[in-house]
Amino acid sequence: KAGVTQTPRYLIKTRGQQVTLSCSPISGHRSVSWYQQTPGQGLQFLFEYFSETQRNKGNFPGRFSGRQFSNSRSEMNVSTLELGDSALYLCASSRGSGSRGNEQFFGPGTRLTVL
Amino acid sequence: DQQVKQNSPSLSVQEGRISILNCDYTNSMFDYFLWYKKYPAEGPTFLISISSIKDKNEDGRFTVFLNKSAKHLSLHIVPSQPGDSAVYFCAASSYSGNTPLVFGKGTRLSVIA
Repeated sequence: KAGVTQTPRYLIKTRGQQVTLSCSPISGHRSVSWYQQTPGQGLQFLFEYFSETQRNKGNFPGRFSGRQFSNSRSEMNVSTLELGDSALYLCASSRGSGSRGNEQFFGPGTRLTVL
Repeated sequence: DQQVKQNSPSLSVQEGRISILNCDYTNSMFDYFLWYKKYPAEGPTFLISISSIKDKNEDGRFTVFLNKSAKHLSLHIVPSQPGDSAVYFCAASSYSGNTPLVFGKGTRLSVIA
């Protein structure tokens, strides 16, 4: 079974630009969650999509948005980039409900650098 | 307000000895706990989990202990191997799967040969 894939793996942008990151979950997984990882801050939850609906949302500004398509693939968008947005963005998929539905499988991440 | 805390940012252990990584949580609604391991430039990988109906779960060299009254869990790795050197994240959620995982900030384990 193929794992979670994220594209692109690396990205360099300048302040003020916008960026779109993509995530393809494991086949059959309906939940996709996005996290931001910065040094010393662990994994900060951005949002979760389940069956094309945002089910949970973390404490991030409205510049961070996402969506999920009918095939469960998800995109995350960050507008008006700031230097502090430089981070590793991780996508994780899971069955999303029921027994062991919380076990999330992570992609390799997209390393975003904002200059 | 950190609901999941890993108070040791780093830990060094000699190869062959036991590694003990600790995690505390504050939210009484958490009833499902997971440990993830993360190597540089890779996403975290699921290691082991435990539900609140148990106080111990074992998988090979990895054992997780849960003390509900103290809101504390620990991950034991015996024996520790150099390949175990990574960042370990503790996470908590509800068993229903409808609430997001809440992660600690991680503990960097270094196993010295």
